[in-house]
Amino acid sequence: DTGVSQNPRHKITKRGQNVTFRCDPISEHNRLYWYRQTLGQGPEFLTYFQNEAQLEKSRLLSDRFSAERPKGSFSTLEIQRTEQGDSAMYLCASSLPGPPNYGYTFGSGTRLTVV
Amino acid sequence: GNSVTQMEGPVTLSEEAFLTINCTYTATGYPSLFWYVQYPGEGLQLLLKATKADDKGSNKGFEATYRKETTSFHLEKGSVQVSDSAVYFCALTSSGAGSYQLTFGKGTKLSVIP
Repeated sequence: DTGVSQNPRHKITKRGQNVTFRCDPISEHNRLYWYRQTLGQGPEFLTYFQNEAQLEKSRLLSDRFSAERPKGSFSTLEIQRTEQGDSAMYLCASSLPGPPNYGYTFGSGTRLTVV
Repeated sequence: GNSVTQMEGPVTLSEEAFLTINCTYTATGYPSLFWYVQYPGEGLQLLLKATKADDKGSNKGFEATYRKETTSFHLEKGSVQVSDSAVYFCALTSSGAGSYQLTFGKGTKLSVIP
């Protein structure tokens, strides 16, 4: 297992189009997280899954955003009707069960540019 | 709510210089504290952590001590190398509900010149 994998690495899309990103976590990790990182800022929490259940969503996750983890393995993050403000790095992370101070493993991210 | 404040960058140091990156936090309860590092084109990597007051986290020559009285977790390294050039993020998770969420600072970019 080579860590958390995210695809694509880069995505350029026109405003108004839909985009979907994929995250493959470390296989034994049952927790999966999505974060968004804009230029010059730290990552901000978007949502969290434990197995296939989406247990928490941030207020940042507007109605245009939807995340799924249908079989408790990989996850997808879809953005509908993209806006220029959606341009950011979307980071996925996964972790084992247990206290959060065990730390997470992050993927390299998907950089979205909306033109 | 939780928040993390880091010193503004960028920070430019000569090789073998001493590094300090300041981090202070606001959180309820007893948070766990982390430093993450992001090298160019890569994801975030956990550098070190501390889970209770007066704990010292250390890794790769970097150290940080959890100071509850000053709500701080400053990152230090005695002698930086060119390979330490990266963006460093201070972060925390709270001890209560929602403790799986990491709250990050804005990051501090470090450039080390030979």
